[in-house]
Amino acid sequence: DQQVKQNSPSLSVQEGRISILNCDYTNSMFDYFLWYKKYPAEGPTFLISISSIKDKNEDGRFTVFLNKSAKHLSLHIVPSQPGDSAVYFCAASDSGGGADGLTFGKGTHLIIQP
Amino acid sequence: KAGVTQTPRYLIKTRGQQVTLSCSPISGHRSVSWYQQTPGQGLQFLFEYFSETQRNKGNFPGRFSGRQFSNSRSEMNVSTLELGDSALYLCASTGSGANVLTFGAGSRLTVL
Repeated sequence: DQQVKQNSPSLSVQEGRISILNCDYTNSMFDYFLWYKKYPAEGPTFLISISSIKDKNEDGRFTVFLNKSAKHLSLHIVPSQPGDSAVYFCAASDSGGGADGLTFGKGTHLIIQP
Repeated sequence: KAGVTQTPRYLIKTRGQQVTLSCSPISGHRSVSWYQQTPGQGLQFLFEYFSETQRNKGNFPGRFSGRQFSNSRSEMNVSTLELGDSALYLCASTGSGANVLTFGAGSRLTVL
């Protein structure tokens, strides 16, 4: 039973355009959501997060949107750059994002085309 | 500030053997979590330790175990290895009151 779903295993976007990565969840107890980025041979690195009391959080080129009624969140990257090519993981927590067990999606491999 | 350090980075074992992986958290971080990453399943939570106590555990068999030492360093052990245990094992640490995990580069285990 997958509680966090990233239905697109891969996504190809042209450099300079917008990249939109999607994530759906089923557990209504989740109250904190995070996006991590992973390059090959490295551990995931934190990108951006959002609390369930908000519907948008922005950090430079990265914006995360949360639609609680649809149990859906998305990560927007504008403009996309070659260095953004990586695997992106959506993660959710029911304890305010604490360390006691994040639930991750399976990841979306973002490829930025020159 | 040094990051999360995991050793070894790569190792190969055969079925039935056991393996121990080590994780040194960021200095001052007292919570250490372990995750398994496989191509088909993404990242799955194994367990979390805080002040030498297991605080939370994921849905893995008892062959998977861990511990944390007084200096917050952690080890995880997998006994009676199976082919399906081949994966990237990731350790992450977090500081008090923080809600973001900082991951190490992982230990890539191959079971033959």
